[in-house]
Amino acid sequence: NAGVTQTPKFQVLKTGQSMTLQCAQDMNHEYMSWYRQDPGMGLRLIHYSVGAGITDQGEVPNGYNVSRSTTEDFPLRLLSAAPSQTSVYFCASSSQRGRMNTEAFFGQGTRLTVV
Amino acid sequence: SQQGEEDPQALSIQEGENATMNCSYKTSINNLQWYRQNSGRGLVHLILIRSNEREKHSGRLRVTLDTSKKSSSLLITASRAADTASYFCATDPFYGNNRLAFGKGNQVVVIP
Repeated sequence: NAGVTQTPKFQVLKTGQSMTLQCAQDMNHEYMSWYRQDPGMGLRLIHYSVGAGITDQGEVPNGYNVSRSTTEDFPLRLLSAAPSQTSVYFCASSSQRGRMNTEAFFGQGTRLTVV
Repeated sequence: SQQGEEDPQALSIQEGENATMNCSYKTSINNLQWYRQNSGRGLVHLILIRSNEREKHSGRLRVTLDTSKKSSSLLITASRAADTASYFCATDPFYGNNRLAFGKGNQVVVIP
């Protein structure tokens, strides 16, 4: 059981380039999220999904797109990379048990540097 | 804005001592969760306490929740060097969907 898998683990981009961070979970969780983690800022929510075909913006959505065509996958697209997007990105998934929200499971992160 | 705010931000203790961290939040919640992050790794869930619970235990961890004060505390008893990590509180807001809001984290260093 792999849990939440993120690829790649490391990436260097030039300003203006685009790329997609991949996230896949094998736990049949309905909720999936993308966070970015910057020093001293904790984790900030970028985008969020409550199920296939449904996405919503989080706290810091500008410059990022997401889609959720399947339950398992939730890719994050950087449209035109900027140095301000240098960060560590985490994908998470969670579910409900008996209509009660449960804990989130996190991927190992993608460390992105934009030069 | 961050929902949870941990206090203190950094803590250095001797092995065997207890470590206590506090978290405050602003809005109504379904539950509050604590996570640990080792350097360069992903977050690992430690404990979840629901809004109708006041205290919860898991091994050497004890979490309290005071919804009237909108605060929570995490106690790690008999700390070990392996407990060295950053600890985050996260709130699941009342309107649901498990849209977690994280605090800035609390770095704990346990000195052997």
